[in-house]
Amino acid sequence: AQTVTQSQPEMSVQEAETVTLSCTYDTSESNYYLFWYKQPPSRQMILVIRQEAYKQQNATENRFSVNFQKAAKSFSLKISDSQLGDTAMYFCAFMKHRGSQGNLIFGKGTKLSVKP
Amino acid sequence: EPEVTQTPSHQVTQMGQEVILRCVPISNHLYFYWYRQILGQKVEFLVSFYNNEISEKSEIFDDQFSVERPDGSNFTLKIRSTKLEDSAMYFCASRETRDTGELFFGEGSRLTVL
Repeated sequence: AQTVTQSQPEMSVQEAETVTLSCTYDTSESNYYLFWYKQPPSRQMILVIRQEAYKQQNATENRFSVNFQKAAKSFSLKISDSQLGDTAMYFCAFMKHRGSQGNLIFGKGTKLSVKP
Repeated sequence: EPEVTQTPSHQVTQMGQEVILRCVPISNHLYFYWYRQILGQKVEFLVSFYNNEISEKSEIFDDQFSVERPDGSNFTLKIRSTKLEDSAMYFCASRETRDTGELFFGEGSRLTVL
């Protein structure tokens, strides 16, 4: 069975600084997706960034980038130039690749506070 | 931008009562999901639905739960006889195809069982 672990329940960062959220996972699959979802207070989860395990290049989306270390089963999220609107719960999630019905396995989340 | 919508946003019910949570997935999506998040805990998969039938369910999804897509647009989760431990935020999600990884989530329905 797959598991996802986020070891930082809460983090804070000053506006405009950089923060890294950690995520590790365990799987015997060789091909899979990894995701970071953001959940602002009282809002729906939205996808921040996605990584396909067979791609060695780390995914980036504007100020968001990942450090994907497949051998170490690590998938950290770096937020550069943090903004107040980045304040949210961040969930790391795993999904098996093809053949999967799309069942996401989530970590417990990291609550990020961006301070002015 | 198309989005997944859920109703109600909050429902309070008495233990033993039936509850139906409703979701309208994004119109061209084919795969539908229910997840739940008990306060302070991780988001957990309940069930996935494709081609008008359940494709996968977790051990949480016991006989008290059912899903259906009665009219081709709504996707509902029914809890027949609610228990205190069913109190949680329930999220609906949809996905366009099997090959695109992204699930789109609704804002959630908060269920409080008294």
